[in-house]
Amino acid sequence: QSVLTQPPSASGTPGQTVTISCSGSSSNIGLSTVNWYQQLPGMAPQLLIYSNNHRPSGVPDRFSGSKSGTSASLAISGLQSEDEADYYCAAWDDSLNGFYVFGTGTKVTVL
Amino acid sequence: QVQLVQSGAEMKKPGTSVKVSCKASGYTFSDYYIHWVRQAPGQGLEWMGCLNPNTGGTKFAQKFQGRVTMTRDTSINTAYMELSRLTSADTAVYYCTRALNAAIVLNFDSWGQGTLATVSS
Repeated sequence: QSVLTQPPSASGTPGQTVTISCSGSSSNIGLSTVNWYQQLPGMAPQLLIYSNNHRPSGVPDRFSGSKSGTSASLAISGLQSEDEADYYCAAWDDSLNGFYVFGTGTKVTVL
Repeated sequence: QVQLVQSGAEMKKPGTSVKVSCKASGYTFSDYYIHWVRQAPGQGLEWMGCLNPNTGGTKFAQKFQGRVTMTRDTSINTAYMELSRLTSADTAVYYCTRALNAAIVLNFDSWGQGTLATVSS
């Protein structure tokens, strides 16, 4: 089971801002950078944010990430219908001989 | 462009093994580690481990130690993941993905399409 906790769901109307939290600990977010992945229905995940707050080429600037201590967050501003997807935070965890851990996932619904 | 193309869906009996392939193209195969991530139906993502295509070296999540094997064939730019002693809990979509590192900073910037492995008697 994941050690990065996210709310199971979030929603907003088009144009609103939605924020997703990711809560970890000193063995993961506390010592590692955080990435965010977007998974559209029926598709493979895609890298959305890397190293806490950097966007890969092609990702709209409506998506932004931040990290503080042992928590991170993803904000989606100007919400659009195509943003309806599952979102996962991820970080390296230094326990158990080291492993990469994904968050529990948040389903974003555009109302 | 970078592509990771995986083998097709598998149906396996409990206690047997499944082997999934991942063919890379559009970049130098040896420059990136191949990682494997799985996703059970309706569940989240789970990292299994990774392979260094250069050396064949591997690193696995403790959960899968002793049950997973990761190999490669550099002549055809293909990585393989084999999971043994299957149970119904291993029913999942298995993804290959790539990253510059084996640990710590893992930016999975390209993913395979996924391979569904169903374990059922």
